[in-house]
Amino acid sequence: GQQLNQSPQSMFIQEGEDVSMNCTSSSIFNTWLWYKQDPGEGPVLLIALYKAGELTSNGRLTAQFGITRKDSFLNISASIPSDVGIYFCVSGTASKLTFGTGTRLQVTL
Amino acid sequence: GAVVSQHPSWVICKSGTSVKIECRSLDFQATTMFWYRQFPKQSLMLMATSNEGSKATYEQGVEKDKFLINHASLTLSTLTVTSAHPEDSSFYICSASRQGREQYFGPGTRLTVT
Repeated sequence: GQQLNQSPQSMFIQEGEDVSMNCTSSSIFNTWLWYKQDPGEGPVLLIALYKAGELTSNGRLTAQFGITRKDSFLNISASIPSDVGIYFCVSGTASKLTFGTGTRLQVTL
Repeated sequence: GAVVSQHPSWVICKSGTSVKIECRSLDFQATTMFWYRQFPKQSLMLMATSNEGSKATYEQGVEKDKFLINHASLTLSTLTVTSAHPEDSSFYICSASRQGREQYFGPGTRLTVT
């Protein structure tokens, strides 16, 4: 089946640092979504991308839809402690989403 | 808007018993609801998709007789884990969407089978 590989798997960063993570696939997708999951909670949508090459920001978060439609990246600027969690890239259609392997982010003071 | 709730948030049951988890869309009518399972330190895996008034469509490898899904109204879907075993212990998350649009996720239910 389709698989979305995320890297890095996990990262420890200091508060204030910028973070970059990416997601790649062997398949072409028409939509890329980035979700964040806090411990013990359901995922929450951060950014949605619908066009190849699209660059979208949401506060300190910026995500891009790769031009090949097989990848996407998410950047977080000036990280804060509440950025801790698991970030998932997600793709597919409205009737079926596929979640990436996840990037676990931990922020130290 | 677009709030999805789940009940209970956590449940412990004995092996061999059944447990029901509810998923509700609080402020919109959900034409489609989805059930996911997440094992510790793993990603979410889709179990099944249900449309209101229809039988659920299960993903490959998910036993439909073990995981009973009912979507009787546009705001409520239930997942019943029948004859639960310790390997069914997991985090179950539902999501809801209206007319093919974005999926909104519930807060999840942690099931522990002893």
